[in-house]
Amino acid sequence: DVKVTQSSRYLVKRTGEKVFLECVQDMDHENMFWYRQDPGLGLRLIYFSYDVKMKEKGDIPEGYSVSREKKERFSLILESASTNQTSMYLCASSFGTSGDTQYFGPGTRLTVL
Amino acid sequence: GQQVMQIPQYQHVQEGEDFTTYCNSSTTLSNIQWYKQRPGGHPVFLIQLVKSGEVKKQKRLTFQFGEAKKNSSLHITATQTTDVGTYFCAVAPGTYKYIFGTGTRLKVLA
Repeated sequence: DVKVTQSSRYLVKRTGEKVFLECVQDMDHENMFWYRQDPGLGLRLIYFSYDVKMKEKGDIPEGYSVSREKKERFSLILESASTNQTSMYLCASSFGTSGDTQYFGPGTRLTVL
Repeated sequence: GQQVMQIPQYQHVQEGEDFTTYCNSSTTLSNIQWYKQRPGGHPVFLIQLVKSGEVKKQKRLTFQFGEAKKNSSLHITATQTTDVGTYFCAVAPGTYKYIFGTGTRLKVLA
């Protein structure tokens, strides 16, 4: 079974703090994704990566950056957290090009005070 | 850019009633996926449709891809409490990227 794990289920941070969210997948998938999920807005893509050290902006990259130094690990970084970044963050991975199944991690509920 | 509209946003049904959610795209799609997210859980892949007019069934769930490949539907026959959750469609406009619909939250009243 594909397993995607995220470093924390719940996280509380203060405005201005630097926040790291980590995601690890164990199936040698090429692609990894970061989404945020907010009520009524569905899943919105923040960044994705199709290879080590490669990254592409999604629909809402502002205020975020990412790092993919190893194939199995994809990190989302909030350089200076703000209250409007309070959300559920979901990591996903997939094997090949579009059309392949995305496998999601359990999510990290981030609260920025 | 690509837009994916999903309706309805919410649906409350009595257990045993049928349920349908619709996904509509502004452009022709190469394929469409459906995911289910249980309350407190994460999205889980259900199915992928590729061909025009394609119909696939999974027990009480029927998935359909429109003839013009611009819309899709998910129909659940005789809902059960285990069907509770949010159903998302997802489309892939490019090589790697996915766009998810806003989801339909289904509540089943026992």
